[in-house]
Order: sequence, then structure tokens, then C-alpha cells
Amino acid sequence: QSALTQPASVSGSPGQSITISCTGSSADIGSYIYVSWYRQDPGQAPQVIIYDVNKRSSSLSTRFSGSKSGNTASLTISGLQAADEADYYCCSYAGGDTWIFGGGTKLTVL
Amino acid sequence: EVQLVESGGGLVLPGRSLRLACEVSGLPFGDFGVSWVRQAPGEALEWLGFIRSGKYGGTSEYAASVKGRFSISRDDARRIAYLQMTSLRTEDTAMYYCTRVNGGLFDYWGQGTLVTVSS
Repeated sequence: QSALTQPASVSGSPGQSITISCTGSSADIGSYIYVSWYRQDPGQAPQVIIYDVNKRSSSLSTRFSGSKSGNTASLTISGLQAADEADYYCCSYAGGDTWIFGGGTKLTVL
Repeated sequence: EVQLVESGGGLVLPGRSLRLACEVSGLPFGDFGVSWVRQAPGEALEWLGFIRSGKYGGTSEYAASVKGRFSISRDDARRIAYLQMTSLRTEDTAMYYCTRVNGGLFDYWGQGTLVTVSS
């Protein structure tokens, strides 16, 4: 099964909003609520920021939100800050206790 | 404090085997499933496999890319999950992470152990 499709890079200026898309299929994103997003800083392990499509992890800023429509999930970050710069990965449950990750998106704050 | 600590990585020759371990503390290890995820240098995260808790039979599922070569096991008494890797290839070179599976998400991660497959 191929990885979920994410843009390789996204950029925005401080204060702006950006959206990272994550496209899968009816076998994964389209069929389950178990879509999660992970942030990864250089040299660090990933950490979950959004789960079950739109639930924020504890202490995560309300500037982060998740959504899903059909086979595509999205992560939106509003009020962009320099500290948001990182790699972001989507992940979807794919049935039968299997999961699939996206190809990752590098967020650059200009 | 919750900790997942991977170990067992290192330099290995192509075709050889290697067993990674994931020691868990601060969580009721026997109550949850564990997944292994890897990341090749400069590449994306790749889900490798999952082992269910004993309550659900302790059985495993694998990504197609590693099925038949990799296997996951667990020792609940020692609070350790293992990733046995056989017939290693250069493309298996990656950082290997273990994670706790909580519903549909991976909420706790180890810091990873690096596996380098090279002659």
C-alpha cells in the first residue's frame, strides 16, 4: 500500500494560516476516524498533535485543527509562529490493525 | 514518567539478522499494543507492524514491505517488545522507533535506535 499523499513542503509568514493536506483512499482515510497528525523536529522522535481527525493532544494550542472530507484529511495551523517550523506527518488506520503514514510535509515559516 | 527505550541497533551486514528491543516503563505494558515505525535517513515515517496485547491474543500484523522478514513479539513479564529482523537489506537502514498504540494513535514514542545495514 502506498503512502498517503502530502505536499512535500508548505510555507507561510508569521500570523498567516496554512493547511497541509493528506490524501488517501476509501481503504484508509475514507473509512476510519483514526486519522492522526505528528510533528517531528530535527533529530527527535515524532509526537502526536492531532488524533481521531480533529482532537488536539493535551496542551496543544487551539491554533492547530484537523478535519477530514472523503479520502482527504487536513491539518490547519492558524496564526503561524516560527516555533511551528517542523516536519508534519499524517497517519491513518487502514483496517485489520494496520496503519499507513503520509510522505511528510516540511513546514517553513518565512 | 513514561519511557519507551529502544536498543539493539547498530551496524549489520546485508543478509544478517538483528533483534531490537523496546523496554517500557511508566505504563501498564500488558494492557496495550505496540507498533514499530522506522524512518530511513531523510525519508518519511513507515509503519512496520503491530503486536496486540495479551488480552487480544498477542498476535501481530505487518506492513507488506516487511512481512515474512520481520516479526514482533513481546515479553509482558519483562515489559519488552521485540522486533526481529532477518535477511536485512541496505534499504532497511533507518532509525527504528517503538510506540504505544492507544486506540488509533501512537501516543508515546521511544527515541529510536539506529540500524545501519552495510558491507
